[in-house]
Order: sequence, then structure tokens, then C-alpha cells
Amino acid sequence: EVQLVESGGGLVQPGGSLRLSCAASGFTFSTYNMNWVRQAPGKGLEWVSFISSSSNAIYYADSVKGRFTISRDNAKNSLYLQMNSLRDEDTAVYYCARVSVGIAGADYWGQGTLVTVSS
Amino acid sequence: DIVMTQTPLSSPVTLGQPASLSCRSSQSLVYSDGNTYLSWLQQRPGQPPRLLIYKISNRFSGVPDRFSGSGAGTDFTLKISRVEAEDVGVYYCMQATQFPYTFGQGTKLEIK
Repeated sequence: EVQLVESGGGLVQPGGSLRLSCAASGFTFSTYNMNWVRQAPGKGLEWVSFISSSSNAIYYADSVKGRFTISRDNAKNSLYLQMNSLRDEDTAVYYCARVSVGIAGADYWGQGTLVTVSS
Repeated sequence: DIVMTQTPLSSPVTLGQPASLSCRSSQSLVYSDGNTYLSWLQQRPGQPPRLLIYKISNRFSGVPDRFSGSGAGTDFTLKISRVEAEDVGVYYCMQATQFPYTFGQGTKLEIK
């Protein structure tokens, strides 16, 4: 069974930093591309970042470019999102989502972790 | 960026009746490999999104056959043949043809 479990969310002040993790199991993590997608309270879905299986292709939404860094450790079956210079508008539930070849987008999603940026 | 526009924003439906949700993209979603990477996702209240349909019309694993997708180019439709109570939630279309990936604003499916 495919499982994605996010962690690392919490309350942080504007300008602060947070590192999110996503633990993957039930599939060969090293062969899949991965995404981070977020959802502000009561709002729709917003794609944040993509990383290829070998980390040689990385993309970001303009809203986070230069502040967020996506990475992965295939030996640990883990995906990360380093978030710096956090703003109020970064408050959201952050989901990690798997990308399958031939499907694109996202086929399996984690339960999400809530990041609240507030003073 | 490709803008995804969904209509209606809210769809009250009677149980057992069909529902039709639309999604339009601001430009063609046909990728250079000939595929169209348009997906439909369902988000039930308090739950993460769940993939229903990928590449316009392919049902994902475990998705009931009352869900079907159609369309081409820039216009796409998700149909539910007979709405059940468990179908309540928000439905999003998503394009993965071009970065940045983008989502529609969502259609809220409600029971009358």
C-alpha cells in the first residue's frame, strides 16, 4: 500500500523557517518524481514544487521561488521542503504527492501537515 | 501560466441523478508526446485530494465506473452518472502538461 506521511508543520513567525518531511512507503521511492502542493485554509489547491526521481529536474511556483527548497533522500525514502523567509500567505496545509509516469500530476497524496505563519 | 477555469462553482444534485462538471484551460493541454495531462481530483470534507481521472478519461485504480472524463484540447468534462452521498466534496481539474502545474478553483458538489 502506497503511504505518504508528512511531518514538520507548526506555528512559525513571519520571516522564520521550517522544514517539512514526507516519508514514503509501499513503493520504490527512488523511481518516482514527487510534488509538494499546498492548500490555504478554505481555499483551493496550489502547486508548490516538483522534483524528479534523481533530483536532476526541480521546479518551483513563482510564489515560493528563492525562499523554498525541495530535496529528497532516496536512501531514506524521504522528500523534504525547506521553507525560509515565511510569510503570512504561506499558511496552508502542505501535501506531498507522488507522480507516476504516464499519469503526471499526482496520483497518491499524503494527509498533509499544517503550517501556520503568524506573529 | 495556464489558467484553469471550472464551472459551475457549486452544483446541487439530487441523489441518483447525474452531474456534469466542466473545466476549461487557457491554452491547449496537448503535450509534445501527444498526451493531454488533464486530471480530475476529488476532495471530500476534511480529506486530502484523491485522483479520480488522469489523461482526460482514464479512471484511476479503485475509482467507481460512475465517474467518467471526456474532452480535448482546452475543454474537459467530468461526469458522474448517478450521484451518491459519498460523492459530496470539491472537485478540481489539474493540468500537468506544463510547469507550473495549475488547478481549477474547484466545483463544490452538494446534495439537494
